[in-house]
Amino acid sequence: EIVMTQSPATLSVSPGERATLSCRASQTVSSKVVWFQQKPGQAPRLLIYGADTRATGIPARFSGSGSGTEFTLTISSLQSEDFAVYYCQQYYTWPPGDSFGQGTKLEIK
Amino acid sequence: EVQLVESGGGLVQPGGSLRLSCAASGFTLRNYDMHWVRQGTGKGLEWVSAVGTADDPYYSGSVKGRFTISRDNAKNSVYLQMNSLRAEDTGLYFCARALYRGTTLFDYWGQGTRVTVSS
Repeated sequence: EIVMTQSPATLSVSPGERATLSCRASQTVSSKVVWFQQKPGQAPRLLIYGADTRATGIPARFSGSGSGTEFTLTISSLQSEDFAVYYCQQYYTWPPGDSFGQGTKLEIK
Repeated sequence: EVQLVESGGGLVQPGGSLRLSCAASGFTLRNYDMHWVRQGTGKGLEWVSAVGTADDPYYSGSVKGRFTISRDNAKNSVYLQMNSLRAEDTGLYFCARALYRGTTLFDYWGQGTRVTVSS
């Protein structure tokens, strides 16, 4: 079983600043990582897949990087609507099992 | 526009049953694997079950033998029959579409339906 570990659990950043979120896999997942955003009461929203490819309609301020076991989501200039919980997830393994990180809450500083 | 709308959640006693439904629109359901993912209150996300395009089912260890996933492409719907429910099954249940077959790359999610297992 591959364990995805996100850090930090909570990140406090001011609007307009850069946010960097990390995700580590317990073994290689190649580039098969997604990042998605979840706001209270809303469906999760896919941001990044293939570790670095933005999903349709996602603003350019969101970028992903990494491969193997270390991954990063960067939000270059935080907007008010970006404060939410962010999850990483690997899709390297099949059949599915535990694949989600525990989430990083991005809050306003 | 792709839409996934879950229904069927509610309050049920331990040992009881519920049947969740996911109504899909805006795409051809038969071409996609479909999944259920749940989230306990204040907790993270947990993959529950999947049904492939060939009706092949997959289950997490925590629900295997108790839950049954199915699909009806003619009705554009996916179902999750949940039996022998336990308190730890409580949570928000999401239906999700996998962008690629044989993966858990979810490109669309529904808003979820809430299941509460309590006496």
